[in-house]
Amino acid sequence: AQSVTQLGSHVSVSEGALVLLRCNYSSSVPPYLFWYVQYPNQGLQLLLKYTSAATLVKGINGFEAEFKKSETSFHLTKPSAHMSDAAEYFCAVTHGSSASKIIFGSGTRLSIRP
Amino acid sequence: EAGVTQSPTHLIKTRGQQATLRCSPISGHTSVYWYQQALGLGLQFLLWYDEGEERNRGNFPPRFSGRQFPNYSSELNVNALELEDSALYLCASSTTKGTGGPGNEQFFGPGTRLTVL
Repeated sequence: AQSVTQLGSHVSVSEGALVLLRCNYSSSVPPYLFWYVQYPNQGLQLLLKYTSAATLVKGINGFEAEFKKSETSFHLTKPSAHMSDAAEYFCAVTHGSSASKIIFGSGTRLSIRP
Repeated sequence: EAGVTQSPTHLIKTRGQQATLRCSPISGHTSVYWYQQALGLGLQFLLWYDEGEERNRGNFPPRFSGRQFPNYSSELNVNALELEDSALYLCASSTTKGTGGPGNEQFFGPGTRLTVL
């Protein structure tokens, strides 16, 4: 069975500081992993996805995530936070080619302090 | 290319009424998913439709139902509305299962905000 755990329901960083959002997964087969972002009162937008190619995945808006099999992690990072990064971030996992089996984490709300 | 669209944007109902929410998937997508996002509860999977059939449903009572039309658009119906049904309802679409390569993601619409008074 698959599952995904996001550590920290709320993360607050200063503008210009490093952003680190944590995601750990559990999967009995090689996973495919996603990060989505949700801005206030909007739907979810795909930030990046890992599909077994490069372990370091670069996404939109300067975000990247590294797949670490030994740690079963897929943490999301951005070197320098911007006020516009304030949003809810969801990690998700699936396996195989079916989007129907995507499991979403509980989300992490990112706040940016001026 | 048009994204996933949902209507209405906002919907206000009173307890006991019925609500109908609509979703149009991205052209070429045959799977539609519905999620409920209540305040502080994250994404709760509701229903999955593919090729006109209900393929899976989450842990919700039968008063949550829906259907998928031949053009792959979908409706979500919520009967006998309760106050706790107030939430953002998100629709997502994807390509048919098993095609398009690994890691097919879901593409989300902007959501319908349902308020039950």
